[in-house]
Amino acid sequence: GQNIDQPTEMTATEGAIVQINCTYQTSGFNGLFWYQQHAGEAPTFLSYNVLDGLEEKGRFSSFLSRSKGYSYLLLKELQMKDSASYLCACMDSNYQLIWGAGTKLIIKP
Amino acid sequence: ETGVTQTPRHLVMGMTNKKSLKCEQHLGHNAMYWYKQSAKKPLELMFVYSLEERVENNSVPSRFSPECPNSSHLFLHLHTLQPEDSALYLCASSQDLERNEQFFGPGTRLTVL
Repeated sequence: GQNIDQPTEMTATEGAIVQINCTYQTSGFNGLFWYQQHAGEAPTFLSYNVLDGLEEKGRFSSFLSRSKGYSYLLLKELQMKDSASYLCACMDSNYQLIWGAGTKLIIKP
Repeated sequence: ETGVTQTPRHLVMGMTNKKSLKCEQHLGHNAMYWYKQSAKKPLELMFVYSLEERVENNSVPSRFSPECPNSSHLFLHLHTLQPEDSALYLCASSQDLERNEQFFGPGTRLTVL
């Protein structure tokens, strides 16, 4: 079966660094996405990885290891506005997105 | 503002009512999606349309009926829903099925009494 696993909730301190992990098992693989979703709002696209390695975009970076079925989202210099849920999703061989349940990130001052 | 709009934003309906959710995208995309989001659960893909043709129907009950009259508009018609259908219903679009960065609308918060 297809499965995406990520922690339910994480807590971090303003100004610090946090890493949100995601492991996946899918029928085929056409890339991995990270989305951010603030409470009561729509998910918004953060990153896309299809090749192994690290993609950096400002304070956010995303890493992929296809051989391990593993990704992480790294958030640096955390700000209070980063408090949100972070959704990991994989595109399978049919180009359908398989979603994780999301990681709720709580930032404390 | 993602270029995808949804109406209504909130909807309360009884189990015998008929209502419709509307989605419109202003991005020139060819693929549109309906998702159901329940608390602490993964997004559930309900329907996928590509170039106005339904591509995917993930065993969704017939009380949910999609309609895609053109590439910019998508509807979800609701009929005799159950209380467990209460959830956030999200519409999304992408350039096409393969280029799958999806842009989401704000969602419709549905409550079935």
